[in-house]
Amino acid sequence: EIVLTQSPGTLSLSPGERATLSCRASQFVSYLAWFQHKPGQAPRVLIYGASSRAAGIPDRFSGSASGTDFTLTINRLEPEDFAVYYCHQYGTSPLTFGGGTKVEIK
Amino acid sequence: QVQLVQSGTEMKKPGSSVKVSCKASGGTFSSYAVSWVRQAPGQGLEWMGGIISMVGSTSYAPKFQGRITITADESTSTAYMELSSLRFEDTAVYYCANPRWDHRTDVWGQGTTVIVSS
Repeated sequence: EIVLTQSPGTLSLSPGERATLSCRASQFVSYLAWFQHKPGQAPRVLIYGASSRAAGIPDRFSGSASGTDFTLTINRLEPEDFAVYYCHQYGTSPLTFGGGTKVEIK
Repeated sequence: QVQLVQSGTEMKKPGSSVKVSCKASGGTFSSYAVSWVRQAPGQGLEWMGGIISMVGSTSYAPKFQGRITITADESTSTAYMELSSLRFEDTAVYYCANPRWDHRTDVWGQGTTVIVSS
């Protein structure tokens, strides 16, 4: 199965700063998404197809890819952006999630 | 707008089975697979398996093979996830999800809490 390794595990930042989250795949990934997850809520898709922003997602969220390395960038962190973020490959069965990156307030 | 509505909290004994439902309200499942994802306390998201509702084709994560059965009833737009031989570590929130990439989004159920306790 495709293993997705996210780094860092925790990112401590202040509102207004930029967050850069990494997701490295153990092999080629055809489709990758990024999710935001907050306690007590269902996960919410931010990015699909590695770089396409989902409907209703602010343009401060962006995704990029280079080979098996994927990046989620959040420009100008807003208070509501502090959450856990997961990458997810949905192109090859079994589908898999990364371990998550927690973005916390510094 | 389609919503996924899941069944309620379940309390189960070790060794028993649980069956969680996920009903598409206000529409039907998309042509993409309905996935089941869980989150155990303090852990990350874990993909368990999925079904393409219209054809009934299933795929399961190796970890759950032999213990999980995912089915779907097209007539009621309801998907089911049954997990057998429950263990304490199966205590988690279980979600169903159905991508709608043609609408640039996906839809998730509200989550079902399953507690395995003796």
